[in-house]
Amino acid sequence: DSGVTQTPKHLITATGQRVTLRCSPRSGDLSVYWYQQSLDQGLQFLIQYYNGEERAKGNILERFSAQQFPDLHSELNLSSLELGDSALYFCASSTRGQAGSYGYTFGSGTRLTVV
Amino acid sequence: SQQGEEDPQALSIQEGENATMNCSYKTSINNLQWYRQNSGRGLVHLILIRSNEREKHSGRLRVTLDTSKKSSSLLITASRAADTASYFCASDMVDYKLSFGAGTTVTVRA
Repeated sequence: DSGVTQTPKHLITATGQRVTLRCSPRSGDLSVYWYQQSLDQGLQFLIQYYNGEERAKGNILERFSAQQFPDLHSELNLSSLELGDSALYFCASSTRGQAGSYGYTFGSGTRLTVV
Repeated sequence: SQQGEEDPQALSIQEGENATMNCSYKTSINNLQWYRQNSGRGLVHLILIRSNEREKHSGRLRVTLDTSKKSSSLLITASRAADTASYFCASDMVDYKLSFGAGTTVTVRA
C-alpha cells in the first residue's frame, strides 16, 4: 500500500456519461497529480493541485475537470465520455509542489472502460 | 505529447545479466526520476537524480544524468525475474510538470 488511495478501482460506463474518480493523497502530502495512461498515448500528465489550488495543467481535455478539497483529497470529473477515454487514471502525491528525494507516490489507479 | 523518449522499447535478458535503458528529454529539468510499473499496476518510484548530480546509486540501480545531452540512463545489475516490468523515466520540469517517457519493457528470463 503506497498510502495514496484511489477509488473506484474499476469503472465501466457508457459513452456520453459522466464519472468521478477520487484520490486521497498520502498523509502529509499537499500536492496531487492526475495522469492518464493509455496504450496509444502512454502516461499523460493531466493536472496538478497544491494545497487546494491548481498549480499546473497538462493535456487535460475541456470535458475533464478536477479539484482539490480542503481535506486535500482530489476528484477528477470526466464528462461526455468517449470510447477513447478508456484508460488507467493515476493519482500521485508529493509533500510539496515538487519531488523530494523519494519522488512522487502513486496510487494503484482507476481503470475506466467506456462502452 | 511526451517530454522524453526511451530506448530500447523492449529488452529481454537472462537472469543475472545487466539491463541498461536510456532516456532523453527536451526541456530544462529540476530532476529526473525513474519508476517501475508491473503490468497494469501503479508506478513505484525507484530513484531520483537532481539536475546538479551526474551519477547516483541505489542498491542494484545506477542512474546517470547528462544535462548537456539531456539524457539519462538506468542500469540494473544482476537482474532477477522480479525485475520484469516496465520502466519509465520522468522529467520533473521547472514548471512543476512531471513528464514521462514511453517506457522500456524489461523481461528477465530464468
